[in-house]
Amino acid sequence: GAVVSQHPSRVICKSGTSVKIECRSLDFQATTMFWYRQFPKQSLMLMATSNEGSKATYEQGVEKDKFLINHASLTLSTLTVTSAHPEDSSFYICSASQKREGNSPLHFGNGTRLTVT
Amino acid sequence: KNQVEQSPQSLIILEGKNCTLQCNYTVSPFSNLRWYKQDTGRGPVSLTIMTFSENTKSNGRYTATLDADTKQSSLHITASQLSDSASYICVVSLLFSGGYNKLIFGAGTRLAVHP
Repeated sequence: GAVVSQHPSRVICKSGTSVKIECRSLDFQATTMFWYRQFPKQSLMLMATSNEGSKATYEQGVEKDKFLINHASLTLSTLTVTSAHPEDSSFYICSASQKREGNSPLHFGNGTRLTVT
Repeated sequence: KNQVEQSPQSLIILEGKNCTLQCNYTVSPFSNLRWYKQDTGRGPVSLTIMTFSENTKSNGRYTATLDADTKQSSLHITASQLSDSASYICVVSLLFSGGYNKLIFGAGTRLAVHP
């Protein structure tokens, strides 16, 4: 089955530094990748939609200058949390789809636990 | 407003018992409805995907139903196992023009299966 690899699985960083999270589709080409944030005991909240070769579309309330998304190729998207603060501590998850439309399966990575001290 | 509501918020059952989780939605126009299982600290894993024309779909001990008229779905788990302990998330896909979908996530039901 389709596999999405997310790295790192855990990261601890100091306040003010930047952290990059990678999301790779291992055995398929992902035209669209999605980035989510999840707080404890809450469901996933979509942050942005990333299409290969174009700028990411951010959800309302998500700062595009703080959460930089680069969909460099059909198999790789990165999320960079810039100037991280303790309130950015969360579980970040990516997902990938082979097609933009219809009932395409959505494959999730295993998430990245970010802790900002 | 496009919303997905799940109930109950949490549930505890004994191993071997059956349970049913509910999902009500107000998403329109509807494209499809998905159920995911999410283990703690992991990404969600797909259980079923149903379009409006499908009433039921099974995946092993998991059976999802969909009533597009009443905009309700359920996920039935048969003969529960300890490994079924997880959050179950209902996700409804909103269909935009051009075939693009936007996913609306429910808050999930946290299931705990006890021995």
